[in-house]
Amino acid sequence: DAGVTQSPTHLIKTRGQHVTLRCSPISGHKSVSWYQQVLGQGPQFIFQYYEKEERGRGNFPDRFSARQFPNYSSELNVNALLLGDSALYLCASSLSTGSRAGELFFGEGSRLTVL
Amino acid sequence: AQSVTQPDIHITVSEGASLELRCNYSYGATPYLFWYVQSPGQGLQLLLKYFSGDTLVQGIKGFEAEFKRSQSSFNLRKPSVHWCDAAEFLCAVCPLSNDYKLSFGAGTTVTVRA
Repeated sequence: DAGVTQSPTHLIKTRGQHVTLRCSPISGHKSVSWYQQVLGQGPQFIFQYYEKEERGRGNFPDRFSARQFPNYSSELNVNALLLGDSALYLCASSLSTGSRAGELFFGEGSRLTVL
Repeated sequence: AQSVTQPDIHITVSEGASLELRCNYSYGATPYLFWYVQSPGQGLQLLLKYFSGDTLVQGIKGFEAEFKRSQSSFNLRKPSVHWCDAAEFLCAVCPLSNDYKLSFGAGTTVTVRA
């Protein structure tokens, strides 16, 4: 079975641009979470979506948005990119949400570099 | 403030030696606890988790972790490391009050020397 897949794997943008990152969860998983991992730090929670609805949001500005589609895939959008948005963006899927949320399956991530 | 601390940024260990990675948390109630491993070119992989019950948890790849409530710790151990254990190890907690997200420590990089 395919794991969590993310695209693109690497991309370079300039300040002020917009980026869309995509994630396909494991088949049967209804929950998708997004995390940002800056070099040298642990991942920081951005969003969780479950059954196409936002379940939770981390401490990120409104420039960050996401959505989940009927097939449970997800997109993360970041507008007006800043240098500090350079990071590895991780997508994770899980069967459900709530107390089992920690049983996440992560993709390999999308490495975003903002110049 | 709620936090997850991994005091050791980098640990070097000889192949065949034992390994212990520290993790401390600061939360009002005992959260759910996890250890993940992150290798280059691979996503985070769950090593083990603690929700309740037996405080010594067995995971994959020969790793185990012990939950100590009195010390607010969840340290990861392996009796004998192999060269392929070199990776980034991340401790994470899932607070009961916000049980839809993980909070990660900064990670510990493990280097294994021959």
